[in-house]
Amino acid sequence: AQTVTQSQPEMSVQEAETVTLSCTYDTSENNYYLFWYKQPPSRQMILVIRQEAYKQQNATENRFSVNFQKAAKSFSLKISDSQLGDTAMYFCAFAGGTSYGKLTFGQGTILTVHP
Amino acid sequence: NAGVTQTPKFRILKIGQSMTLQCTQDMNHNYMYWYRQDPGMGLKLIYYSVGAGITDKGEVPNGYNVSRSTTEDFPLRLELAAPSQTSVYFCASSSLSSGNTIYFGEGSWLTVV
Repeated sequence: AQTVTQSQPEMSVQEAETVTLSCTYDTSENNYYLFWYKQPPSRQMILVIRQEAYKQQNATENRFSVNFQKAAKSFSLKISDSQLGDTAMYFCAFAGGTSYGKLTFGQGTILTVHP
Repeated sequence: NAGVTQTPKFRILKIGQSMTLQCTQDMNHNYMYWYRQDPGMGLKLIYYSVGAGITDKGEVPNGYNVSRSTTEDFPLRLELAAPSQTSVYFCASSSLSSGNTIYFGEGSWLTVV
Protein backbone atom coordinates (compact mmCIF):
# COMPACT_ATOMS: atom_id res chain seq x y z
CA ALA A 1 0.00 0.00 0.00
CA GLN A 2 1.11 3.52 -0.68
CA THR A 3 1.58 6.13 2.00
CA VAL A 4 1.89 9.89 1.71
CA THR A 5 3.42 11.99 4.48
CA GLN A 6 3.27 15.74 4.94
CA SER A 7 5.45 16.58 7.91
CA GLN A 8 4.47 20.24 8.25
CA PRO A 9 1.02 20.61 9.87
CA GLU A 10 1.17 24.41 9.53
CA MET A 11 3.24 26.94 7.61
CA SER A 12 3.11 30.69 7.33
CA VAL A 13 4.62 33.15 4.89
CA GLN A 14 4.57 36.87 4.24
CA GLU A 15 2.79 38.15 1.17
CA ALA A 16 5.08 38.24 -1.92
CA GLU A 17 7.58 35.81 -0.38
CA THR A 18 8.28 32.19 -1.33
CA VAL A 19 7.29 29.11 0.64
CA THR A 20 7.94 25.40 0.15
CA LEU A 21 5.63 22.64 1.36
CA SER A 22 7.10 19.18 1.84
CA CYS A 23 5.71 15.79 0.86
CA THR A 24 7.22 12.33 0.87
CA TYR A 25 5.64 9.10 -0.29
CA ASP A 26 6.29 5.42 -0.28
CA THR A 27 5.46 3.06 -3.14
CA SER A 28 6.81 0.04 -4.94
CA GLU A 29 5.31 1.15 -8.25
CA ASN A 30 7.40 2.68 -11.00
CA ASN A 31 4.60 4.41 -12.88
CA TYR A 32 2.44 6.81 -10.90
CA TYR A 33 1.11 10.34 -10.61
CA LEU A 34 1.54 12.95 -7.91
CA PHE A 35 -0.72 15.90 -7.21
CA TRP A 36 -1.01 18.95 -5.03
CA TYR A 37 -4.56 20.02 -4.16
CA LYS A 38 -5.58 23.28 -2.51
CA GLN A 39 -8.56 23.33 -0.15
CA PRO A 40 -9.75 26.80 0.93
CA PRO A 41 -12.25 27.25 3.78
CA SER A 42 -15.08 26.50 1.35
CA ARG A 43 -13.72 22.91 1.33
CA GLN A 44 -13.61 22.82 -2.48
CA MET A 45 -10.77 20.64 -3.77
CA ILE A 46 -8.76 22.58 -6.37
CA LEU A 47 -6.02 20.94 -8.38
CA VAL A 48 -2.84 23.02 -8.16
CA ILE A 49 -0.33 20.94 -10.06
CA ARG A 50 0.36 17.37 -11.16
CA GLN A 51 3.47 15.38 -12.00
CA GLU A 52 3.85 12.15 -13.94
CA ALA A 53 6.57 9.98 -12.44
CA TYR A 54 8.04 9.09 -15.84
CA LYS A 55 8.73 12.77 -16.55
CA GLN A 56 12.03 14.02 -15.20
CA GLN A 57 11.15 17.66 -15.75
CA ASN A 58 9.53 19.34 -12.77
CA ALA A 59 5.98 20.58 -13.38
CA THR A 60 5.25 24.30 -13.26
CA GLU A 61 1.96 26.21 -13.23
CA ASN A 62 2.46 29.96 -13.02
CA ARG A 63 3.61 30.73 -9.43
CA PHE A 64 3.50 27.06 -8.44
CA SER A 65 6.29 24.59 -9.11
CA VAL A 66 7.38 21.26 -7.76
CA ASN A 67 10.68 19.66 -6.89
CA PHE A 68 10.20 16.00 -7.79
CA GLN A 69 12.96 13.71 -6.54
CA LYS A 70 11.94 10.22 -7.63
CA ALA A 71 14.80 8.33 -6.00
CA ALA A 72 14.19 10.09 -2.69
CA LYS A 73 10.39 9.78 -3.11
CA SER A 74 9.99 13.46 -2.42
CA PHE A 75 7.52 15.87 -4.01
CA SER A 76 7.66 19.40 -2.61
CA LEU A 77 5.54 22.36 -3.71
CA LYS A 78 7.06 25.83 -4.08
CA ILE A 79 4.76 28.84 -4.11
CA SER A 80 6.43 32.01 -5.35
CA ASP A 81 5.15 35.56 -4.83
CA SER A 82 2.65 34.31 -2.24
CA GLN A 83 -0.76 35.96 -2.29
CA LEU A 84 -3.43 36.26 0.38
CA GLY A 85 -5.65 34.01 -1.73
CA ASP A 86 -3.12 31.20 -1.35
CA THR A 87 -4.19 30.79 2.28
CA ALA A 88 -5.65 27.28 2.42
CA MET A 89 -5.02 23.67 3.36
CA TYR A 90 -2.73 21.95 0.85
CA PHE A 91 -2.83 18.22 0.25
CA CYS A 92 -0.25 16.08 -1.46
CA ALA A 93 -1.76 13.03 -3.18
CA PHE A 94 -0.54 9.89 -4.95
CA ALA A 95 -2.20 7.76 -7.62
CA GLY A 96 -0.64 4.54 -8.88
CA GLY A 97 -0.40 4.04 -12.61
CA THR A 98 -2.82 1.13 -12.56
CA SER A 99 -5.07 2.36 -9.74
CA TYR A 100 -7.63 4.05 -12.01
CA GLY A 101 -6.90 7.37 -10.34
CA LYS A 102 -7.65 6.29 -6.78
CA LEU A 103 -5.88 8.84 -4.61
CA THR A 104 -3.96 8.40 -1.40
CA PHE A 105 -3.77 11.71 0.47
CA GLY A 106 -1.33 13.13 2.96
CA GLN A 107 -2.53 14.72 6.19
CA GLY A 108 -2.40 18.23 4.79
CA THR A 109 -0.50 21.45 5.53
CA ILE A 110 -2.34 24.60 6.57
CA LEU A 111 -0.72 27.55 4.82
CA THR A 112 -1.38 31.08 6.05
CA VAL A 113 -0.23 34.07 4.01
CA HIS A 114 0.18 37.22 6.11
CA PRO A 115 -0.16 40.73 4.66
CA ASN B 1 -19.75 23.52 -17.73
CA ALA B 2 -21.11 21.67 -14.64
CA GLY B 3 -18.35 19.07 -14.06
CA VAL B 4 -19.15 16.99 -10.96
CA THR B 5 -22.38 17.88 -9.16
CA GLN B 6 -23.30 16.62 -5.70
CA THR B 7 -26.54 16.97 -3.78
CA PRO B 8 -27.43 17.80 -1.09
CA LYS B 9 -24.73 20.23 0.05
CA PHE B 10 -25.81 20.06 3.69
CA ARG B 11 -27.81 17.48 5.63
CA ILE B 12 -28.49 16.62 9.26
CA LEU B 13 -29.47 13.02 9.95
CA LYS B 14 -30.64 11.31 13.08
CA ILE B 15 -28.90 8.14 14.24
CA GLY B 16 -30.36 5.14 12.43
CA GLN B 17 -31.76 7.09 9.49
CA SER B 18 -30.74 6.36 5.91
CA MET B 19 -30.06 8.66 3.01
CA THR B 20 -28.53 8.83 -0.45
CA LEU B 21 -25.95 11.34 -1.62
CA GLN B 22 -26.38 11.98 -5.31
CA CYS B 23 -23.49 12.53 -7.72
CA THR B 24 -23.52 13.16 -11.43
CA GLN B 25 -20.81 14.14 -13.90
CA ASP B 26 -21.13 15.45 -17.44
CA MET B 27 -17.57 14.82 -18.64
CA ASN B 28 -18.18 11.23 -19.81
CA HIS B 29 -15.58 9.97 -17.35
CA ASN B 30 -15.31 6.23 -16.82
CA TYR B 31 -14.05 6.40 -13.27
CA MET B 32 -15.96 7.77 -10.32
CA TYR B 33 -15.16 7.90 -6.62
CA TRP B 34 -16.58 8.72 -3.22
CA TYR B 35 -14.27 10.13 -0.57
CA ARG B 36 -14.90 11.29 2.96
CA GLN B 37 -12.95 13.92 4.86
CA ASP B 38 -13.02 14.02 8.63
CA PRO B 39 -12.04 17.25 10.42
CA GLY B 40 -8.36 18.13 10.04
CA MET B 41 -7.66 15.06 7.92
CA GLY B 42 -7.03 14.15 4.33
CA LEU B 43 -9.60 12.44 2.16
CA LYS B 44 -10.17 8.69 2.36
CA LEU B 45 -11.66 6.56 -0.41
CA ILE B 46 -15.00 4.91 0.37
CA TYR B 47 -15.98 3.29 -2.94
CA TYR B 48 -15.03 3.64 -6.57
CA SER B 49 -16.28 2.57 -9.97
CA VAL B 50 -14.39 1.96 -13.22
CA GLY B 51 -17.51 1.96 -15.37
CA ALA B 52 -21.26 1.40 -15.43
CA GLY B 53 -22.18 -1.76 -13.53
CA ILE B 54 -18.78 -2.08 -11.83
CA THR B 55 -18.05 -0.93 -8.29
CA ASP B 56 -15.44 -1.80 -5.68
CA LYS B 57 -14.55 -0.99 -2.09
CA GLY B 58 -12.01 1.60 -1.11
CA GLU B 59 -10.29 2.12 2.22
CA VAL B 60 -13.36 2.85 4.40
CA PRO B 61 -16.46 1.16 2.87
CA ASN B 62 -18.27 -0.02 6.01
CA GLY B 63 -21.70 1.52 6.46
CA TYR B 64 -22.03 2.57 2.82
CA ASN B 65 -23.30 1.19 -0.46
CA VAL B 66 -23.01 2.41 -4.05
CA SER B 67 -24.39 1.63 -7.47
CA ARG B 68 -23.43 2.69 -10.97
CA SER B 69 -26.26 2.11 -13.42
CA THR B 70 -25.11 4.82 -15.85
CA THR B 71 -21.81 6.46 -16.76
CA GLU B 72 -23.03 9.80 -15.37
CA ASP B 73 -24.41 8.85 -11.95
CA PHE B 74 -22.79 7.35 -8.86
CA PRO B 75 -25.01 7.63 -5.76
CA LEU B 76 -23.73 6.83 -2.25
CA ARG B 77 -26.16 5.22 0.18
CA LEU B 78 -25.77 5.52 3.94
CA GLU B 79 -27.66 2.85 5.84
CA LEU B 80 -28.35 3.20 9.58
CA ALA B 81 -26.46 6.46 10.02
CA ALA B 82 -24.02 6.65 12.93
CA PRO B 83 -22.23 9.66 14.50
CA SER B 84 -18.94 8.30 13.09
CA GLN B 85 -20.29 9.07 9.62
CA THR B 86 -20.36 12.80 10.35
CA SER B 87 -18.01 14.07 7.67
CA VAL B 88 -17.69 15.96 4.43
CA TYR B 89 -18.27 13.72 1.42
CA PHE B 90 -16.71 14.32 -1.97
CA CYS B 91 -17.65 12.74 -5.24
CA ALA B 92 -15.02 12.77 -7.97
CA SER B 93 -14.41 11.51 -11.48
CA SER B 94 -11.56 10.92 -13.89
CA SER B 95 -10.65 9.21 -17.13
CA LEU B 96 -7.56 8.14 -19.00
CA SER B 97 -8.24 10.94 -21.47
CA SER B 98 -8.03 13.46 -18.60
CA GLY B 99 -4.59 12.09 -17.78
CA ASN B 100 -5.93 10.52 -14.59
CA THR B 101 -6.55 13.97 -13.15
CA ILE B 102 -9.35 13.67 -10.63
CA TYR B 103 -12.09 16.31 -10.69
CA PHE B 104 -14.00 16.86 -7.45
CA GLY B 105 -17.50 17.98 -6.64
CA GLU B 106 -18.01 20.75 -4.10
CA GLY B 107 -18.64 18.41 -1.20
CA SER B 108 -21.62 17.41 0.94
CA TRP B 109 -21.56 18.23 4.66
CA LEU B 110 -23.30 15.51 6.65
CA THR B 111 -23.94 15.63 10.39
CA VAL B 112 -25.38 12.64 12.26
CA VAL B 113 -26.92 13.47 15.65
